[in-house]
Amino acid sequence: KAGVTQTPRYLIKTRGQQVTLSCSPISGHRSVSWYQQTPGQGLQFLFEYFSETQRNKGNFPGRFSGRQFSNSRSEMNVSTLELGDSALYLCASSLVPGVANEQFFGPGTRLTVL
Amino acid sequence: AQTVTQSQPEMSVQEAETVTLSCTYDTSESDYYLFWYKQPPSRQMILVIRQEAYKQQNATENRFSVNFQKAAKSFSLKISDSQLGDAAMYFCAYLWGGGSNYKLTFGKGTLLTVNP
Repeated sequence: KAGVTQTPRYLIKTRGQQVTLSCSPISGHRSVSWYQQTPGQGLQFLFEYFSETQRNKGNFPGRFSGRQFSNSRSEMNVSTLELGDSALYLCASSLVPGVANEQFFGPGTRLTVL
Repeated sequence: AQTVTQSQPEMSVQEAETVTLSCTYDTSESDYYLFWYKQPPSRQMILVIRQEAYKQQNATENRFSVNFQKAAKSFSLKISDSQLGDAAMYFCAYLWGGGSNYKLTFGKGTLLTVNP
């Protein structure tokens, strides 16, 4: 069974632009969670989607948004990029909702904001 | 606010020996989950072990075990018979709440080096 895939793997943007990252969960998994990983702030939970609905959201500004499609694929969008948005963005999928359950992580998308 | 502290930014261990990574957390809740995640260099993060706070028995997964001290708010990870493949960044995480109302907090991580 294929693992969690994230595209693109690397991305370079400039301040003020917007970006969309994609995550395809493991087949059959309906829950997708997103995380931001930076050297300064460490790992932080962004949001979780299940059945096309956002179940929970971490403490991030409204510039960070996401959505989930009927095939469980998820996208996250960051608008008006800031230098501080440079990070590794990880997504994880699980069979059932809730991050207490075992999550399977993708390789991440490395976003650099110049 | 819940915080998770990993006081050892870096640790090293000789192959085949045992190492313990420490994690403390701050909470006023009585029911929660604790996790250890492993992030190998350039590879996917994986769940190593999970502990439910209401369970007194320490969780174990093969060579990985935890020492969960609820009163002390301590959750250390012991890796026995360390292998080269154990080299990774290890994150401790705390989860409180359920349903669609939960809070997940990670520690800053401990970088483990395994020496041959």
